[in-house]
Amino acid sequence: GAVVSQHPSRVICKSGTSVKIECRSLDFQATTMFWYRQFPKKSLMLMATSNEGSKATYEQGVEKDKFLINHASLTLSTLTVTSAHPEDSSFYICSASAGTINYEQYFGPGTRLTVT
Amino acid sequence: AQSVTQLGSHVSVSEGALVLLRCNYSSSVPPYLFWYVQYPNQGLQLLLKYTSAATLVKGINGFEAEFKKSETSFHLTKPSAHMSDAAEYFCAVKEDSNYQLIWGAGTKLIIKP
Repeated sequence: GAVVSQHPSRVICKSGTSVKIECRSLDFQATTMFWYRQFPKKSLMLMATSNEGSKATYEQGVEKDKFLINHASLTLSTLTVTSAHPEDSSFYICSASAGTINYEQYFGPGTRLTVT
Repeated sequence: AQSVTQLGSHVSVSEGALVLLRCNYSSSVPPYLFWYVQYPNQGLQLLLKYTSAATLVKGINGFEAEFKKSETSFHLTKPSAHMSDAAEYFCAVKEDSNYQLIWGAGTKLIIKP
């Protein structure tokens, strides 16, 4: 089956610094990648959708200048949390799809971000 | 607008007992329906999906779900619970014309020895 990896799996950073999370599709070309945020004991919240080679589409209420998304290739998307604050601490999950409408999303294992 | 309701944030069953996790959806068009499982501190794994073929869908780990259009439901069942089934389960819906998954709030399945 399709495999999606995320790196790092856990990261601790100091308040005010930036942290980058990578999402890779290992055995297929992901034209579309999705970034989710999951709060403790809550469901997933879609942050943004990115298509390879174009700007990401952010969901309402998500600051695009704070959560920078780059989808430069068909196998890699990155999420950079800029000027991180403790309230950005969360579990970030990416998913990748070979297309948009009729294609399944394959999920990465998630990245636990803790901002101190 | 689409929505997904999972009844019960926590469901507790004894090992060997029937597992029933409820999911109801609202959609103006025939949907695609999914069940995902999430183990602690891990990503999501697809258990099964309904894509307008057979209404009874069999998934991994002995789980199955039945699409009932008249009840707008897609409940997840497993005849006999195993300790390893303890996890969070999410129901999601997607319309044919849209790429977004709409998520339920999740149900934590607790297995009692």
